[in-house]
Amino acid sequence: GENVEQHPSTLSVQEGDSAVIKCTYSDSASNYFPWYKQELGKGPQLIIDIRSNVGEKKDQRIAVTLNKTAKHFSLHITETQPEDSAVYFCAAGLNTGTASKLTFGTGTRLQVTL
Amino acid sequence: SQTIHQWPATLVQPVGSPLSLECTVEGTSNPNLYWYRQAAGRGLQLLFYSVGIGQISSEVPQNLSASRPQDRQFILSSKKLLLSDSGFYLCAWRATRGALSSYEQYFGPGTRLTVT
Repeated sequence: GENVEQHPSTLSVQEGDSAVIKCTYSDSASNYFPWYKQELGKGPQLIIDIRSNVGEKKDQRIAVTLNKTAKHFSLHITETQPEDSAVYFCAAGLNTGTASKLTFGTGTRLQVTL
Repeated sequence: SQTIHQWPATLVQPVGSPLSLECTVEGTSNPNLYWYRQAAGRGLQLLFYSVGIGQISSEVPQNLSASRPQDRQFILSSKKLLLSDSGFYLCAWRATRGALSSYEQYFGPGTRLTVT
């Protein structure tokens, strides 16, 4: 089955700096790579995703890159703000017409300090 | 718009007692439904998923079971809880038809279960 590794487990940055979280996956058939943000006591919120036919995607201050050859993908947050502090999860999955399953990384706790 | 509900929000149960957690989705039909468990400070582990009424796939052998009695209702159950069943249980859905057919999975607010 799929295995997803995520690094670092914790990340502390100053407000305004950039943050980068990296993930690797093992199954070359995976074709969908979402990122989730989870605040304390809440369910994960989808913040950005990328499909295997795209190398990069950007949405305001967040961007995701995918390297299919190396089987790794990364989340980039620019101009970090205190409200970006949360746990971020990457995931990899294979979507078919009828079913979709995701395998999650172990999470990165991001702390944005003033 | 689509919304997903889970209840109860928190639950404290003694070892050996039964469990029933409920998840419902509004605003979509024939969604894929998922149950995940998140242990304290850990990632999300897929427990069960369903592609339709009465169709349940189990991802890990365990003390839990799932059922889908209606199109937009997903239930997680146990006959006898173990201490190791404690955790944060999350339900998620994915659209499968029409203009909303997509890759994305959306999570509910979760149920915090503590087995004492």
